[in-house]
Amino acid sequence: DSGVTQTPKHLITATGQRVTLRCSPRSGDLSVYWYQQSLDQGLQFLIQYYNGEERAKGNILERFSAQQFPDLHSELNLSSLELGDSALYFCASSARDPDTQYFGPGTRLTVL
Amino acid sequence: ILNVEQSPQSLHVQEGDSTNFTCSFPSSNFYALHWYRWETAKSPEALFVMTLNGDEKKKGRISATLNTKEGYSYLYIKGSQPEDSATYLCAPSMEYGNKLVFGAGTILRVKS
Repeated sequence: DSGVTQTPKHLITATGQRVTLRCSPRSGDLSVYWYQQSLDQGLQFLIQYYNGEERAKGNILERFSAQQFPDLHSELNLSSLELGDSALYFCASSARDPDTQYFGPGTRLTVL
Repeated sequence: ILNVEQSPQSLHVQEGDSTNFTCSFPSSNFYALHWYRWETAKSPEALFVMTLNGDEKKKGRISATLNTKEGYSYLYIKGSQPEDSATYLCAPSMEYGNKLVFGAGTILRVKS
């Protein structure tokens, strides 16, 4: 158990809908990262927050957004969902840069 | 786009065999190199973070070396065990920061 929690574990929704994935980092970690793993693709970095502020951005679609709250938990919002958004979404946290990133159990999103 | 290559793509060995994998990455603007182990139905588990040229890290039967000048890292497993079966991922971060770019991974299967 890495200490990073993600909810929900599974999410099934329809195209065009909007969903929110939630992540709580390890106690004391200020950085939160979001990754996507689609079928036949490796882990893709989406976005990083550090102590409430956006720190780095990767291949994140405009339909996706994220934020980190004062209690350091983070949410990833996915809107106007398409079939291709079906993937495993991981959250990771670290204490500082560079540092080990600890991954949560992931949220499996299925868009029908 | 940062090109991270891992070889071999997959490896099947017998219990007790020693094995090694390679991770290649661009040597310019290098910041840190992470190794992860990813077992099926679990989340990636951090093995090592290395930053300095010539770094060597060890964790039990697993060790890693880093050459930042030529842009490669080796991961070694001594006396492979069935529980070592997993996908091994490397992920460099370039420039300052913890934005990781994951390779496709090496799939290791250890037969007893």
